[in-house]
Amino acid sequence: GDSVTQMEGPVTLSEEAFLTINCTYTATGYPSLFWYVQYPGEGLQLLLKATKADDKGSNKGFEATYRKETTSFHLEKGSVQVSDSAVYFCALRDTGNTPLVFGKGTRLSVIA
Amino acid sequence: GAVVSQHPSRVICKSGTSVKIECRSLDFQATTMFWYRQFPKQSLMLMATSNEGSKATYEQGVEKDKFLINHASLTLSTLTVTSAHPEDSSFYICSASNGATNYGYTFGSGTRLTVV
Repeated sequence: GDSVTQMEGPVTLSEEAFLTINCTYTATGYPSLFWYVQYPGEGLQLLLKATKADDKGSNKGFEATYRKETTSFHLEKGSVQVSDSAVYFCALRDTGNTPLVFGKGTRLSVIA
Repeated sequence: GAVVSQHPSRVICKSGTSVKIECRSLDFQATTMFWYRQFPKQSLMLMATSNEGSKATYEQGVEKDKFLINHASLTLSTLTVTSAHPEDSSFYICSASNGATNYGYTFGSGTRLTVV
């Protein structure tokens, strides 16, 4: 079945550092790919998405490119802030109205 | 944008009692609702999928008689944890879809259930 693998955390960075969270996927079809963010005690918020190969999703300084050849959707940000501290989930959705498949999440802590 | 309101955000109940969690789509029609459970520092585990007006489809290992899901309207779905026990303590999150393709589902803010 479909699956998502993302890098283990936690990740601790200093403010203004460069962030990369790796995500790779396995899917039988042509999925849409997502990054969600979860702040402590809250639900999930959609951060960005990409629906086809070579699409780049971006939001709030974060970006990720749908790489079909490497089945990857790595999340990047050039300069992180303390407010970016959260858990980040990579997810895919196969065709149709199917549930999202999540990675295990990566906890990011940014220190001033 | 699309908003899903989930209530309550926190609930503490005694063992043996039942707890109802509501999710409402405020500005769109939620044709499908997904219910997830999240253990501390872990990912989301899909419990069930419900389509408006139909019986929910439960994932393997999820007791349908314990976790009752109702999706009687396009804007409201409920999850009732019946005869709750301490092992049911968890973070429950709903996620709604309006059926559109290539759409990132909208999540509720979650319910922290503690059974004492």
